[in-house]
Amino acid sequence: AQSVTQPDIHITVSEGASLELRCNYSYGATPYLFWYVQSPGQGLQLLLKYFSGDTLVQGIKGFEAEFKRSQSSFNLRKPSVHWSDAAEYFCAVRMDSSYKLIFGSGTRLLVRP
Amino acid sequence: GAGVSQSPSNKVTEKGKDVELRCDPISGHTALYWYRQSLGQGLEFLIYFQGNSAPDKSGLPSDRFSAERTGGSVSTLTIQRTQQEDSAVYLCASSLTRAGNTIYFGEGSWLTVV
Repeated sequence: AQSVTQPDIHITVSEGASLELRCNYSYGATPYLFWYVQSPGQGLQLLLKYFSGDTLVQGIKGFEAEFKRSQSSFNLRKPSVHWSDAAEYFCAVRMDSSYKLIFGSGTRLLVRP
Repeated sequence: GAGVSQSPSNKVTEKGKDVELRCDPISGHTALYWYRQSLGQGLEFLIYFQGNSAPDKSGLPSDRFSAERTGGSVSTLTIQRTQQEDSAVYLCASSLTRAGNTIYFGEGSWLTVV
């Protein structure tokens, strides 16, 4: 069955440091890949998405993600974290033949001043 | 509207009571989803509507849960005889078509069953 794994439940980084959040999926074909962010008490906001083409995608708020087919990964990165980036981040996958969005369990990002 | 609108934003109800949660999708979006997010958990798919097609109810956890979508727009998620384990955030989302690329989420309805 299709699944999404975010191995890090919590990550703490210092403000200004770089960030990488991991996401792995299990599926035979190339899925549609998404990263969403959820701030406390808020809904989900789309950061970026990958469908095809260039494997490095740029998103909002200075985030980027790289699709690596050989590793079945879609890791999210940011070169310099801001305190306002503290939130929960969800990786999600949707198959070409399906309408369901399957989510990972999320990674909570804490930012040290 | 500009985004997916959900109401109420917060609901506290007594165990055993029925609740209704409303979702108003983005205008023109034919696909509508309900997800549930329990404390410390990921997002669990509940139900999917696409146009006038029969909905995919495969994610509904029990027969106490039901949903309808009237006129292809507004949707209502109903939970009958609420239990404490129903306490969660219920998120509604919509997209343009079944093969639509981006799914947009509302801010959720926070349900607490006491």
